[in-house]
Amino acid sequence: DVKVTQSSRYLVKRTGEKVFLECVQDMDHENMFWYRQDPGLGLRLIYFSYDVKMKEKGDIPEGYSVSREKKERFSLILESASTNQTSMYLCASSSISDGNYEQYFGPGTRLTVT
Amino acid sequence: GIQVEQSPPDLILQEGANSTLRCNFSDSVNNLQWFHQNPWGQLINLFYIPSGTKQNGRLSATTVATERYSLLYISSSQTTDSGVYFCAVDDTGGFKTIFGAGTRLFVKA
Repeated sequence: DVKVTQSSRYLVKRTGEKVFLECVQDMDHENMFWYRQDPGLGLRLIYFSYDVKMKEKGDIPEGYSVSREKKERFSLILESASTNQTSMYLCASSSISDGNYEQYFGPGTRLTVT
Repeated sequence: GIQVEQSPPDLILQEGANSTLRCNFSDSVNNLQWFHQNPWGQLINLFYIPSGTKQNGRLSATTVATERYSLLYISSSQTTDSGVYFCAVDDTGGFKTIFGAGTRLFVKA
């Protein structure tokens, strides 16, 4: 079974702090994604990566950056956390083999910025 | 971009009842997935179904790609089926998945 893990289930940070959210997948997937989920707004794509050191902006990249130094790990960075970044953050991965792009999600990180 | 509409937005069932959830999409897609988000926030894969019909236990799904819709059937519902069901589609080869707003299901004991 595909396993996607995220470093924390719950996180509380202060405004202005630098925040790192880590995601690791164990299935050698090429693609990895970061989403945020907010009530009434659904899931929105922040960034994705289709290879090591490669990244592409999603729909809402402002205020975020990412890092993918190893294939299995994709990090989301909030350079200076703000209260409007309080949200549920979901990481996902997928493979491009055989034309099957099924995405698998981690358990999520509920981030609160105070 | 592709629009994804799910219906109904909310659904309350008595345990044991059957239900059908619908996902309409506005353009041709390469991928279509159904997910269940449990009360703890975890998104669980139900079906990867860009076309055709699949079954897994009490759940089944049908996608009619030419008519741009997919249906998720839940039979003999259980309280553990409660949560939010999402349909997600993609037309870019797996890089830009669009999620519907979800159907919130509550199954009463």
